Amino acid sequence: DTEVTQTPKHLVMGMTNKKSLKCEQHMGHRAMYWYKQKAKKPPELMFVYSYEKLSINESVPSRFSPECPNSSLLNLHLHALQPEDSALYLCASSHPDRLAKNIQYFGAGTRLSVL
Amino acid sequence: EDQVTQSPEALRLQEGESSSLNCSYTVSGLRGLFWYRQDPGKGPEFLFTLYSAGEEKEKERLKATLTKKESFLHITAPKPEDSATYLCAVQAFGNEKLTFGTGTRLTIIP
Repeated sequence: DTEVTQTPKHLVMGMTNKKSLKCEQHMGHRAMYWYKQKAKKPPELMFVYSYEKLSINESVPSRFSPECPNSSLLNLHLHALQPEDSALYLCASSHPDRLAKNIQYFGAGTRLSVL
Repeated sequence: EDQVTQSPEALRLQEGESSSLNCSYTVSGLRGLFWYRQDPGKGPEFLFTLYSAGEEKEKERLKATLTKKESFLHITAPKPEDSATYLCAVQAFGNEKLTFGTGTRLTIIP
């Protein structure tokens, strides 16, 4: 089973709203990722958590706040977003310790629209 | 800085017409090269990972190959359901980050 589950599938929010995206995996992976993908572009890395600790923050604005409550869950808290933040937000996970592996498995994404 | 260039940007084939997609890369110590398939509005689906020059992997109508500078994704006798965007990504040793190419949009016409 290589399933990464993201909820919600779709989200519409105003610029003053606070919302959260959720990601869950039960593969025993200890690295989890948030990506942002605009139409016809490749995924852009936002954050990496390794063993529940934030290891990479790709200079993402503070209106995006990641959280990793445990090894299976990853949240992305959203506050005061701008219309240009509308995109497909993807979660991925991998097992970083296995030599010559580290395959990232992606969820189906959350389609976010900011009005 | 790691870089990935994919070509062509878009490719239209007749059903059954075989072809190849190219992924050229520069990376400071290749840990792995990854191929993903992405359908519109969905997350990337893992296809293959290649680790060293000369390696090949196959799955149904797809075959991925790797040299020290590029990878090819060969599609043999494609079907309409193979239509998707194919993404190539590289990872360097000591780096958790994947560097993606911009993808090839493949359309198979019945």
